[in-house]
Amino acid sequence: AQSVSQHNHHVILSEAASLELGCNYSYGGTVNLFWYVQYPGQHLQLLLKYFSGDPLVKGIKGFEAEFIKSKFSFNLRKPSVQWSDTAEYFCAVNGDNYGQNFVFGPGTRLSVLP
Amino acid sequence: KAGVTQTPRYLIKTRGQQVTLSCSPISGHRSVSWYQQTPGQGLQFLFEYFSETQRNKGNFPGRFSGRQFSNSRSEMNVSTLELGDSALYLCASSWGTSGYQETQYFGPGTRLLVL
Repeated sequence: AQSVSQHNHHVILSEAASLELGCNYSYGGTVNLFWYVQYPGQHLQLLLKYFSGDPLVKGIKGFEAEFIKSKFSFNLRKPSVQWSDTAEYFCAVNGDNYGQNFVFGPGTRLSVLP
Repeated sequence: KAGVTQTPRYLIKTRGQQVTLSCSPISGHRSVSWYQQTPGQGLQFLFEYFSETQRNKGNFPGRFSGRQFSNSRSEMNVSTLELGDSALYLCASSWGTSGYQETQYFGPGTRLLVL
């Protein structure tokens, strides 16, 4: 079965630190890649997505992600985190061999200390 | 444009009972997907409906079922509830016509507690 892994279960950073959250997916032909965020008490929101073209995609709130096809990775980055970035981050994939549905990674909880 | 709405937001049931959850997609969206979110298993796909037909199904037992109405609203039913069904049930909608290159928009979820 196709799967998505996220490297870290819980990441703790201080404000202004740089962030990189890892995401790897199992090989499955053409893929579309997404990062969603779930702030405490709120619903899942789309941060950014990659369908095709420039492998470096920019999303909301200063986040960006890079698709590296050879590594089956789609890592999320932000140069300087804020306390308000405290949330759970989910990588998701769909595509040819994933069916119409999304496969989500287990999530990474980010805690940003003021 | 109004977002995805789910009702009720919270539910408490006992083992053996059944439950029905409702989801209203964003206006114009014809695809509705359901997910179960638990601390142990994360987000797992249940099924997707498009134009009143189940188009995709995840790996859940037959106790989990759904349907979609002509106005794209969807309901999910769980029969013979088990303790392990306690979870946050999320609904997501999308246009449904662009193949895989669609963004799903999520509702706030229904938190179900089975005692």
